[in-house]
Amino acid sequence: NAGVTQTPKFRVLKTGQSMTLLCAQDMNHEYMYWYRQDPGMGLRLIHYSVGEGTTAKGEVPDGYNVSRLKKQNFLLGLESAAPSQTSVYFCASSTGWAYGYTFGSGTRLTVV
Amino acid sequence: ILNVEQSPQSLHVQEGDSTNFTCSFPSSNFYALHWYRWETAKSPEALFVMTLNGDEKKKGRISATLNTKEGYSYLYIKGSQPEDSATYLCAFKEDNAGNMLTFGGGTRLMVKP
Repeated sequence: NAGVTQTPKFRVLKTGQSMTLLCAQDMNHEYMYWYRQDPGMGLRLIHYSVGEGTTAKGEVPDGYNVSRLKKQNFLLGLESAAPSQTSVYFCASSTGWAYGYTFGSGTRLTVV
Repeated sequence: ILNVEQSPQSLHVQEGDSTNFTCSFPSSNFYALHWYRWETAKSPEALFVMTLNGDEKKKGRISATLNTKEGYSYLYIKGSQPEDSATYLCAFKEDNAGNMLTFGGGTRLMVKP
């Protein structure tokens, strides 16, 4: 099993550009999440989804949008990238809150 | 925003030493406490999910305990090996009021051969 796959692994954007990060899981998990990881800040939740067609805001949602059109995919969009969005982005999925999360390998995004 | 704290921030031990570190979380509205192991250049890997006060979990040389009434969990590593070097994260899930898993800042463990 591939588990959780994130694409791309690396990306450099110019301020104001847009992009979409793709997360795909093959474990039939209902719950999917997008986190960002910054030095000294730990993992912070951006958005999450508790099922196909649903999304909700996490701790730091501003500047991001998400969609969950298919159960296996969770997309994270940046409409107008800012240098403050330079970070490592992790996608994760789980069966529910009482179950361990499976993380993807991360996407390193730099906004210049 | 919930306060989930881990201590120490980093720890250096010799191979063969046993060690432990702490995760502190709010003592009210407990739902679940997660522990993850995060090796450099890899993604976090789930170790344990604990849901009941007094829970004890074990996986090989790693074990964890949970005290929800006082709001802490301990992670123990017996006979540390160099391959145990990683950052260990805990994460707290509050009951009902929130829908987020809040992560602590992690404890970075380095085991010297």
